Amino acid sequence: GENVEQHPSTLSVQEGDSAVIKCTYSDSASNYFPWYKQELGKGPQLIIDIRSNVGEKKDQRIAVTLNKTAKHFSLHITETQPEDSAVYFCAAPWENQGGKLIFGQGTELSVKP
Amino acid sequence: KAGVTQTPRYLIKTRGQQVTLSCSPISGHRSVSWYQQTPGQGLQFLFEYFSETQRNKGNFPGRFSGRQFSNSRSEMNVSTLELGDSALYLCASSPRQGSTEAFFGQGTRLTVV
Repeated sequence: GENVEQHPSTLSVQEGDSAVIKCTYSDSASNYFPWYKQELGKGPQLIIDIRSNVGEKKDQRIAVTLNKTAKHFSLHITETQPEDSAVYFCAAPWENQGGKLIFGQGTELSVKP
Repeated sequence: KAGVTQTPRYLIKTRGQQVTLSCSPISGHRSVSWYQQTPGQGLQFLFEYFSETQRNKGNFPGRFSGRQFSNSRSEMNVSTLELGDSALYLCASSPRQGSTEAFFGQGTRLTVV
């Protein structure tokens, strides 16, 4: 089955700086890697995802990169803003079974104005 | 399009009682998954339902159960509540069974006293 490790657990940056969160996974058959943002009192929100047939995907200030050989994927946020402050989770599917995601432990990102 | 709706938002129950939580998926989505979120264990998969049938189950005791109705709405039930069941219970909907894209609701915050 899948195991997902996420680092760092906390990250503090100045507004305008970049933030990078990294995850490693164990199941080489995994083919889908979503990132979620969870704000206080809310459920996780899907912000970007990547499938194993591409190495990078961008959406405005956020991007995700995937290294299948090393079995790791990263979330990159550029030009950070205070509203980016939240807990971010990476995930991977359990044995490629849809509907069952294995989540990383989460990264609490704090963007200081 | 309305998002995933979970009710109630907050619940306080006493040890030994049972509780039922409700989830209405995004219109047109037919797969519903449930997760438990706690500070210590993070996000953990409970079960997935599609076409009124449980398709996947996580590593939780039999006190945790669920069901899905013909309109795709789902309920989960926890019997004989324990203090350790205090958590945020999240429901996620997906377009179809086997789909890895999951969209979460706001969650139900359950406190067991």
